[in-house]
Amino acid sequence: AQTVTQSQPEMSVQEAETVTLSCTYDTSESDYYLFWYKQPPSRQMILVIRQEAYKQQNATENRFSVNFQKAAKSFSLKISDSQLGDAAMYFCAYKVGTSGSRLTFGEGTQLTVNP
Amino acid sequence: DTEVTQTPKHLVMGMTNKKSLKCEQHMGHRAMYWYKQKAKKPPELMFVYSYEKLSINESVPSRFSPECPNSSLLNLHLHALQPEDSALYLCASSQEGMVGGGREKLFFGSGTQLSVL
Repeated sequence: AQTVTQSQPEMSVQEAETVTLSCTYDTSESDYYLFWYKQPPSRQMILVIRQEAYKQQNATENRFSVNFQKAAKSFSLKISDSQLGDAAMYFCAYKVGTSGSRLTFGEGTQLTVNP
Repeated sequence: DTEVTQTPKHLVMGMTNKKSLKCEQHMGHRAMYWYKQKAKKPPELMFVYSYEKLSINESVPSRFSPECPNSSLLNLHLHALQPEDSALYLCASSQEGMVGGGREKLFFGSGTQLSVL
């Protein structure tokens, strides 16, 4: 069974600084996708970034980037120039590439941004 | 329109009540999902509708009854719930659902916060 582990229940960062959230996963599949979702106090889950396992290049979306280490099964999220609006619960998630697959979430990391 | 709209935002019900949660999207997505989320926990999948047919039921108790009247609308009918069913209920949609496989992005609504007394 696939598992996703986020070892940091809580993290904090100063506004304008950089923070990295950790995620590791366990799988025997070769075709899969990894995601970071953000859930602010508004409760809506928002997709932050997605990485295809077959791509060696790390995904980036503006201030958000990932460090995808396939051999180590590690998928960390880096947030640069942190803003107050980045404060949220961040969930790492995994999905097998085949049809009919389900999204497996980690337990989440609560990020606080200090002014 | 890239929104998934859920109503109501909050719901309080007794254990003998019957109520329904509603979810709507107008993105042309053919898959819709119900998730249950307890406080400070990740969402747990309950049901998936793909092309208006129920394709996944994660062994959810029968007091939860999903319905997909058309490709834009998803309901969750609630009856005889227990206090432990109190949670945030999230609806999501994706373009192709189970057919699309791993590449599918999910779009979530803001949820219905349900309290069962």
